[in-house]
Amino acid sequence: NAGVTQTPKFQVLKTGQSMTLQCAQDMNHEYMSWYRQDPGMGLRLIHYSVGAGITDQGEVPNGYNVSRSTTEDFPLRLLSAAPSQTSVYFCASRDRVDYGYTFGSGTRLTVV
Amino acid sequence: QQQVKQSPQSLIVQKGGIPIINCAYENTAFDYFPWYQQFPGKGPALLIAIRPDVSEKKEGRFTISFNKSAKQFSLHIMDSQPGDSATYFCAASMDTGRRALTFGSGTRLQVQP
Repeated sequence: NAGVTQTPKFQVLKTGQSMTLQCAQDMNHEYMSWYRQDPGMGLRLIHYSVGAGITDQGEVPNGYNVSRSTTEDFPLRLLSAAPSQTSVYFCASRDRVDYGYTFGSGTRLTVV
Repeated sequence: QQQVKQSPQSLIVQKGGIPIINCAYENTAFDYFPWYQQFPGKGPALLIAIRPDVSEKKEGRFTISFNKSAKQFSLHIMDSQPGDSATYFCAASMDTGRRALTFGSGTRLQVQP
């Protein structure tokens, strides 16, 4: 099925642990981005990429790293998890012509 | 800095009513204004979008009204149904720089039968 695939769907981490949230799209989209969703705050941009090998910071990048070695994949790394990173994380992608972003189904992360 | 402000936070209407959700933006470089619909446990899904060169766009029961001079846009849902109960987000983006979306804070809509 074409779309944006995020894994895992749920994750519980202990403070200080690291992990990688996976995001893959099979639509050959150039632009990809990561958002976190917290109650009452909408979706906030963490990192984004405008093509393979090109990434940059969004509004809330602290504590997160990204890389874009291929067009398809855009993993998000938490280096040392903190309770403030408890959130729902969404990955999204779009192509150069159509401005509409396609979102994955999200990863619900709890840091204890 | 919140560049897209959305209101109201929540909205309850009766079936057949016309809920209206409003958004205001600050950055005049934005050139694309979408609305997303999100059901619990799901990712946001694109509902309808508008460019600043038109003042209104309709798709089915959903209409966007756009006021460039006031830097405001709104979503109207005609003949609302219980199945429209969801959270709605407005957003804005530009086709230069980051090209990512800047979202409003969301409106939780409940349509009562």
